[in-house]
Amino acid sequence: RKEVEQDPGPFNVPEGATVAFNCTYSNSASQSFFWYRQDCRKEPKLLMSVYSSGNEDGRFTAQLNRASQYISLLIRDSKLSDSATYLCVVNMRGNTGGFKTIFGAGTRLFVKA
Amino acid sequence: DGGITQSPKYLFRKEGQNVTLSCEQNLNHDAMYWYRQDPGQGLRLIYYSQIVNDFQKGDIAEGYSVSREKKESFPLTVTSAQKNPTAFYLCASSKDRGRLDKLFFGSGTQLSVL
Repeated sequence: RKEVEQDPGPFNVPEGATVAFNCTYSNSASQSFFWYRQDCRKEPKLLMSVYSSGNEDGRFTAQLNRASQYISLLIRDSKLSDSATYLCVVNMRGNTGGFKTIFGAGTRLFVKA
Repeated sequence: DGGITQSPKYLFRKEGQNVTLSCEQNLNHDAMYWYRQDPGQGLRLIYYSQIVNDFQKGDIAEGYSVSREKKESFPLTVTSAQKNPTAFYLCASSKDRGRLDKLFFGSGTQLSVL
């Protein structure tokens, strides 16, 4: 089982739709969680950190469910410019006591007019 | 503006050749990282450095080498021992690796084999 798993998609949605992505992680000792956005052949850019209490930034809402070991990203009122790959990122303690960052393979979103 | 600069944007390697990818940051970050991205896969860590003159192997270090002689610079050499080097390479930095800070990425280098 992968340490961080995402549905690769693609999700094809019309403009204005609401779309949600989930990401599951295997290590219950995971410490911090992020969603990054990556456009084709560009660098990932931080979209949101994910907190236990849930957090919202405009049309984007991120939530963490520690009991079920998943995080989610909800995008409301989708725009054409939201078309991208969304990467789930989990920081967890490594075996040697340090920390390691694990990236999901990403979920592709296409928003069409 | 502060940021991370990677060069070149595209690089071609001949068989048996070593090539070096450049990564420079002016964010005053202590930690720097090199990742490799292949289609359909998550980013995989090649090497990381938490401080000048110190670096550690990541998950896929074989066939790669790095140096960290200056805080601002973390070049990656893809050696001839790396048999499948074609990939998108991303350099990143964070303020302090121990604090699980968010990562800032350079714009990437696409390496292809001739």
